[in-house]
Amino acid sequence: ETGVTQSPTHLIKTRGQQVTLRCSSQSGHNTVSWYQQALGQGPQFIFQYYREEENGRGNFPPRFSGLQFPNYSSELNVNALELDDSALYLCASSTQRSYNEQFFGPGTRLTVL
Amino acid sequence: KNQVEQSPQSLIILEGKNCTLQCNYTVSPFSNLRWYKQDTGRGPVSLTIMTFSENTKSNGRYTATLDADTKQSSLHITASQLSDSASYICVVSEDTDKLIFGTGTRLQVFP
Repeated sequence: ETGVTQSPTHLIKTRGQQVTLRCSSQSGHNTVSWYQQALGQGPQFIFQYYREEENGRGNFPPRFSGLQFPNYSSELNVNALELDDSALYLCASSTQRSYNEQFFGPGTRLTVL
Repeated sequence: KNQVEQSPQSLIILEGKNCTLQCNYTVSPFSNLRWYKQDTGRGPVSLTIMTFSENTKSNGRYTATLDADTKQSSLHITASQLSDSASYICVVSEDTDKLIFGTGTRLQVFP
């Protein structure tokens, strides 16, 4: 186990709804990155938070937003859900701004109907 | 365009056999290359990480090689076990620390 936890484990929503996913980083880690992994594909980078500020963003629309709290836990919010948003959402924590030493959580499986 | 390509897409082997997975990348500038193991529906777990100057690195029955000149890496699994059934993802890091993920190789080990 990496010490990174995510909730919920599974979630079912309908098109147009909003969803919030949560991630608790490993103790001592101040950076959280979020990824979307469609079935059969590699993870795609959504964005990263370092000390409560966004530090890099992938090719995702603004309806994907995030937040990092003083305890370094993080949320991923997705508005106006679309069918293609169905995926495994992974968060990864690390000790510094560098992406390299990332430890992944178990993921949240989101299904949009 | 920075890309990471893996082959084969899927592989079936018998328990106890060896196998080798391939990774080719076009990422530049290059910082490091990592192999992850991902069980179905779970988060990836790091197996090895290699920098530009490293040619090989082992982690138990897993041995990764890197040829930075040809931009190729391989992951060799020795004496496979049923628990090795998973997806294996090659990840390359740019100097900017951005991670580029491959689509993975799905390995199935049968008794």
